[in-house]
Amino acid sequence: AQSVTQLGSHVSVSEGALVLLRCNYSSSVPPYLFWYVQYPNQGLQLLLKYTTGATLVKGINGFEAEFKKSETSFHLTKPSAHMSDAAEYFCAVRSLGGATNKLIFGTGTLLAVQP
Amino acid sequence: GAVVSQHPSRVICKSGTSVKIECRSLDFQATTMFWYRQFPKQSLMLMATSNEGSKATYEQGVEKDKFLINHASLTLSTLTVTSAHPEDSSFYICSARDPGALTDTQYFGPGTRLTVL
Repeated sequence: AQSVTQLGSHVSVSEGALVLLRCNYSSSVPPYLFWYVQYPNQGLQLLLKYTTGATLVKGINGFEAEFKKSETSFHLTKPSAHMSDAAEYFCAVRSLGGATNKLIFGTGTLLAVQP
Repeated sequence: GAVVSQHPSRVICKSGTSVKIECRSLDFQATTMFWYRQFPKQSLMLMATSNEGSKATYEQGVEKDKFLINHASLTLSTLTVTSAHPEDSSFYICSARDPGALTDTQYFGPGTRLTVL
């Protein structure tokens, strides 16, 4: 079975500082991993995904994540936080099996950006 | 990216009544839609997978007679919470898979906040 754990339900950074949101996964098969962002009163938006190939994945809005199999991690980073990055971030892993592959989500990390 | 809408965004109802939530894919045809439930400070929990023209597939522990799902067209899936009770109060989110997009890309609606009094 697949699962994800997001460490830190709340993360606060200063504007311009590095953003690091942690995600660890558990999977018995090579995982497909995703990061989604949810702004207030909006749906989840896909930031980036890892399927196969290059382990460093670049997404929208300057975010990137690195798949580290040895650490079972897929942490999300951004070199310099912007006020508009304040939102909730969800890590997810694709659950294999059955007719339709499903997503299993972490509990989310609320990112606050201080001026 | 693709747009998925939900209606209503918020609903308050009395215990024992039924509530219908609509999920629409606005610019693509979705053969598969998903319904999630999100409790405060918890994960999105998949409730069911809705397939156009066939019966929905429910996750373990989800009562199919309680949460009725209909996916009658390629752009619309509905979730009806029947005989709602206060414990059904939650945030319900749908997503739709665009078959023309990258593999396993799901587009999410903005969610519906249900409060049962």
